[in-house]
Amino acid sequence: KQEVTQIPAALSVPEGENLVLNCSFTDSAIYNLQWFRQDPGKGLTSLLLIQSSQREQTSGRLNASLDKSSGRSTLYIAASQPGDSATYLCAVFTNSGGSNYKLTFGKGTLLTVNP
Amino acid sequence: KAGVTQTPRYLIKTRGQQVTLSCSPISGHRSVSWYQQTPGQGLQFLFEYFSETQRNKGNFPGRFSGRQFSNSRSEMNVSTLELGDSALYLCASSFPRTGDNYNEQFFGPGTRLTVL
Repeated sequence: KQEVTQIPAALSVPEGENLVLNCSFTDSAIYNLQWFRQDPGKGLTSLLLIQSSQREQTSGRLNASLDKSSGRSTLYIAASQPGDSATYLCAVFTNSGGSNYKLTFGKGTLLTVNP
Repeated sequence: KAGVTQTPRYLIKTRGQQVTLSCSPISGHRSVSWYQQTPGQGLQFLFEYFSETQRNKGNFPGRFSGRQFSNSRSEMNVSTLELGDSALYLCASSFPRTGDNYNEQFFGPGTRLTVL
């Protein structure tokens, strides 16, 4: 059974700092990995999608890497801003048998960027 | 292009009642998945629909069901509501996967269900 773990559970940093969020998964047979952002009481906003054949993806101040063999992904946020404050979720897309494809989520990292 | 929409946004029900939630995917997306989010369990997969057929199902009791219409809109139904069904219900849409191209999931704002 696929399990996704995100460390740390919460992180508080001053504005302008570069930071790294970590995600690990137990089964390396994934098809892709997606990072999402969730603001309080809201839905999920997709940030980056990394296909299993890729090693990293970049979008603006965000860079995500994927190491399938070790079951790890990192989300790097450069020059953090108070508007980056949210919960960041990592999810892997896998097949647990037959046509059972689904996203399995970690519990998220709650990021607070202080002005 | 409009995003994924969900209605209603908020719902309050009492135990034993049933509820129907609606999800309209992004235009052109034919796959719709449903997830339940609670503080204790996080995000858990409920089921996925494609071409009006349930393609995948998570580990939820039969009280949770869904369907998809020919225009790809989907509904989720929960019968005999329990207190533990209080959660944020999210739906996600994507293009159907082709070959090894597993596509990005786009989520709606969710429906907050409170069971009293």
